[in-house]
Amino acid sequence: DAGVIQSPRHEVTEMGQEVTLRCKPISGHNSLFWYRQTMMRGLELLIYFNNNVPIDDSGMPEDRFSAKMPNASFSTLKIQPSEPRDSAVYFCASSPGLGRSFGSGTRLTVV
Amino acid sequence: DQQVKQNSPSLSVQEGRISILNCDYTNSMFDYFLWYKKYPAEGPTFLISISSIKDKNEDGRFTVFLNKSAKHLSLHIVPSQPGDSAVYFCAASGRTGNQFYFGTGTSLTVIP
Repeated sequence: DAGVIQSPRHEVTEMGQEVTLRCKPISGHNSLFWYRQTMMRGLELLIYFNNNVPIDDSGMPEDRFSAKMPNASFSTLKIQPSEPRDSAVYFCASSPGLGRSFGSGTRLTVV
Repeated sequence: DQQVKQNSPSLSVQEGRISILNCDYTNSMFDYFLWYKKYPAEGPTFLISISSIKDKNEDGRFTVFLNKSAKHLSLHIVPSQPGDSAVYFCAASGRTGNQFYFGTGTSLTVIP
């Protein structure tokens, strides 16, 4: 099993640009989570999907953030327009129930 | 507001000694607690967990203690090894496990 796969590993973009982060969960896992890691708040849950349906997006910081899961094997997190304060490491995780399997993360830098 | 708090951002320990990482939580409805370990440039990986019906769970060199009355848990690593150097995240959830609340992490350095 390849684990949770995220791309890109690093993204540097200019303020105002659109950024799309991608995630492929572990096959058979029915829940998918997007987290953001910052020094001040640790790992924050942004949104999670169950069976491809968004269940809780209360952690999404602003309307500039959106997430989709068009099928069981793919999800995207989009930031449009991006701002410097969005700079962080974004993790995707999947789960068959309890527990989480995390991807290696995308380090986003908005300049 | 942080429902799970790790008040020590960093900890240094000599190889062979005990490492104790602490975590406090505010929600008495939490009943499942986990520790994750994270190396640089990698995602967090599951280390050990404990259910609220227990006060101790042991796995090799790693032991997690839960004090429900104090809303406090701790991770003990004995003996500490240089390969244990990583960031450790504490997490808590309710019965459904859908919502995990993570702490801000403690960076452990084990000095050879």
